[in-house]
Amino acid sequence: KNEVEQSPQNLTAQEGEFITINCSYSVGISALHWLQQHPGGGIVSLFMLSSGKKKHGRLIATINIQEKHSSLHITASHPRDSAVYICAAPYNTDKLIFGTGTRLQVFP
Amino acid sequence: DVKVTQSSRYLVKRTGEKVFLECVQDMDHENMFWYRQDPGLGLRLIYFSYDVKMKEKGDIPEGYSVSREKKERFSLILESASTNQTSMYLCASSLGRGLSRIYNEQFFGPGTRLTVL
Repeated sequence: KNEVEQSPQNLTAQEGEFITINCSYSVGISALHWLQQHPGGGIVSLFMLSSGKKKHGRLIATINIQEKHSSLHITASHPRDSAVYICAAPYNTDKLIFGTGTRLQVFP
Repeated sequence: DVKVTQSSRYLVKRTGEKVFLECVQDMDHENMFWYRQDPGLGLRLIYFSYDVKMKEKGDIPEGYSVSREKKERFSLILESASTNQTSMYLCASSLGRGLSRIYNEQFFGPGTRLTVL
């Protein structure tokens, strides 16, 4: 069993749909990062959560520390949201353990 | 604007060659990381550094070494490249010490896609 698991692995949606990506982790300290990787490879950090919920534009991230589960929601999805979304859990004080990513394609 | 740069976007090398991948950050960050990314496996940590001249092994250090002679520069070295080192290599940096190392945002470079023939 992977220490950080994401679902689904692949997701397709029509423009305007509400998107949910899930992340469950079995390791480490109670916090989680969400990152976005666009085609071409560049990775940007979206959120770091240690409790509750964070919102940035159309992106909302939630975390349940007790259940070690986090979700990333995209409201009113747009083709420019097409990317790979990756969650990562801090482990000890040294490093992040990454999920394998969810590939999202949003069609017009 | 925050920036992490990597020396090459694409690199093709032959088996047995010595390969240098350079990473430079302009944010005065203490922490720097080298990852490789392979389909289905996600990002895996090769080496990291919390200070100049300091290095720590990550999860998959075999076949790699690193050098951090200056705070802004972190180099990854493949002593004798092999075909199983064909991968995307990503450098990242972050601010902070202690727990904030891994709570703070990591800033990634654009990646180097290395092919070893």
